Amino acid sequence: NAGVTQTPKFRILKIGQSMTLQCTQDMNHNYMYWYRQDPGMGLKLIYYSVGAGITDKGEVPNGYNVSRSTTEDFPLRLELAAPSQTSVYFCASSYYRVAEAFFGQGTRLTVV
Amino acid sequence: AQTVTQSQPEMSVQEAETVTLSCTYDTSESDYYLFWYKQPPSRQMILVIRQEAYKQQNATENRFSVNFQKAAKSFSLKISDSQLGDAAMYFCAYRSGGGSEKLVFGKGTKLTVNP
Repeated sequence: NAGVTQTPKFRILKIGQSMTLQCTQDMNHNYMYWYRQDPGMGLKLIYYSVGAGITDKGEVPNGYNVSRSTTEDFPLRLELAAPSQTSVYFCASSYYRVAEAFFGQGTRLTVV
Repeated sequence: AQTVTQSQPEMSVQEAETVTLSCTYDTSESDYYLFWYKQPPSRQMILVIRQEAYKQQNATENRFSVNFQKAAKSFSLKISDSQLGDAAMYFCAYRSGGGSEKLVFGKGTKLTVNP
């Protein structure tokens, strides 16, 4: 099983550029999440989705947007990249709300 | 708001020895779930063990076990017979049983295993 797949693994953006981080899961999970991990810190929730067509903000949503048109895909959009968005981004999914979350391998994003 | 504290930024252990990683949390809820995740250099977050707050029995997964002290709000991870492959960052995490969707993470403990 592929599990949770994130692309790209690494990316360098210039300030003001935009990009989409892709996330796909093949486990038919309803719940999907985007987290960011800053150096020396745990993960913070950016956005989450409880099913196709339903998304909601987490702790740190500013500067990001998401959509969930299918069960499998949950892309994260960065508009007008800023240095503060330099981080490692993780996508995760779970079958139900309090179940184990499966994580992708992360995307290391640097904004210069 | 819930918080998770890992007071040991770094720990080291000799191969085949036992090590305990500490985690405390703060919550006013009675229904919640606690997790330990391992993050090796590959960056992948891997679930090590999970504990439901309503269960009194401590969770065990092979060489990994927890000491869950609900009244003290403590959730430590014990790794027995440590192996070189156990070297990683370990994160303690909390999830509410109702309400908030997010996992609340501690800042992590870096575990080094010495041969």
